[in-house]
Amino acid sequence: DAGVIQSPRHEVTEMGQEVTLRCKPISGHDYLFWYRQTMMRGLELLIYFNNNVPIDDSGMPEDRFSAKMPNASFSTLKIQPSEPRDSAVYFCASSRSGYGYTFGSGTRLTVV
Amino acid sequence: QQPVQSPQAVILREGEDAVINCSSSKALYSVHWYRQKHGEAPVFLMILLKGGEQKGHDKISASFNEKKQQSSLYLTASQLSYSGTYFCGPALGGGADGLTFGKGTHLIIQP
Repeated sequence: DAGVIQSPRHEVTEMGQEVTLRCKPISGHDYLFWYRQTMMRGLELLIYFNNNVPIDDSGMPEDRFSAKMPNASFSTLKIQPSEPRDSAVYFCASSRSGYGYTFGSGTRLTVV
Repeated sequence: QQPVQSPQAVILREGEDAVINCSSSKALYSVHWYRQKHGEAPVFLMILLKGGEQKGHDKISASFNEKKQQSSLYLTASQLSYSGTYFCGPALGGGADGLTFGKGTHLIIQP
């Protein structure tokens, strides 16, 4: 079991650029979650999917953020255009039926 | 909606015990506990599904008081490896509804 795989591990981009974060959940898990972590705000839930369908995106901070899950083995989180305040560690997590979440290693995003 | 954790930070000597509390303003269905080491992802420790249930994981156990909308994590005879930040994540619904985590409790174990 390779766990939840996120890419890239680190991303440095200029303000105004589009950023795409990727996630491959654990096979057989039916829930996928995107979180953002900063020192000030802690771990924030952005959006989650059940069987590839978005269930709750109320945590997405602005229209600049969008997420998709085209199939059971892939999800993306896109920020367009990016801003310095988007700098954070973004985690993807998956779960079977809502039980223990398995988190990916995260993507550290820096927007300059 | 974010649960309240206490204390915010704890410094212990190896072998000492610690209790971390988590309380919610809403009725709870279950509570998750996670530990995150610096620079790493959170790791699932345990989930408590029933009111009053206690579960254990090595020398780490937890209780869940559904009536009081609270959960506590107990670390017994702490080891250096227990250092990290502990998060609780209460679930409000019967199914998976996306956890809102507390701000975390920073635990430092000194030799």
